[in-house]
Amino acid sequence: AQSVTQPDIHITVSEGASLELRCNYSYGATPYLFWYVQSPGQGLQLLLKYFSGDTLVQGIKGFEAEFKRSQSSFNLRKPSVHWSDAAEYFCAGPRFGNEKLTFGTGTRLTIIP
Amino acid sequence: DAGVIQSPRHEVTEMGQEVTLRCKPISGHNSLFWYRQTMMRGLELLIYFNNNVPIDDSGMPEDRFSAKMPNASFSTLKIQPSEPRDSAVYFCASATGENTEAFFGQGTRLTVV
Repeated sequence: AQSVTQPDIHITVSEGASLELRCNYSYGATPYLFWYVQSPGQGLQLLLKYFSGDTLVQGIKGFEAEFKRSQSSFNLRKPSVHWSDAAEYFCAGPRFGNEKLTFGTGTRLTIIP
Repeated sequence: DAGVIQSPRHEVTEMGQEVTLRCKPISGHNSLFWYRQTMMRGLELLIYFNNNVPIDDSGMPEDRFSAKMPNASFSTLKIQPSEPRDSAVYFCASATGENTEAFFGQGTRLTVV
């Protein structure tokens, strides 16, 4: 079945440090992939998306993600995290046409001073 | 646009009662998704519609759950009778169609006592 996997349940990073959250997908063709962020008590907000073309995509809040077909990965990165980045992050996809959007299990990000 | 609007934001009901959750998608969007989020199971897709037609309801947990989309601007998710294990946050999301991201509402926090 088409799916995305987030291997890290919880990550703790110091403020100002770099961040990488992992996402792996399983599908033969090039998928459409997304990263969402959820702050406590809030809905999910789209950070960035990959459809095709340039494999490095830029998103909001200083986030970027790189699509690597050889590794079936779509990892989220940020060079320097801020305390406000503490949230739950979800990788989603793959979505083709009007198919359903499925989510990974999420990675909870904690920021320490 | 006001985004995806869900009501109510919070619902507390007694076991056995009927519960109806409501969703107004973004105008012009023709895909609508209902998700359930719990600590134990994460974010689960319950059902999704394209052009008001249910496409995949395989995520609906049992016959107590039903969803309708009578027109392009309104959808309901009904639980009858409700049970304590239905307590969760229910999200509605909409998308413009093929190969696009979904936009989420703020969710309805349901507590069944």
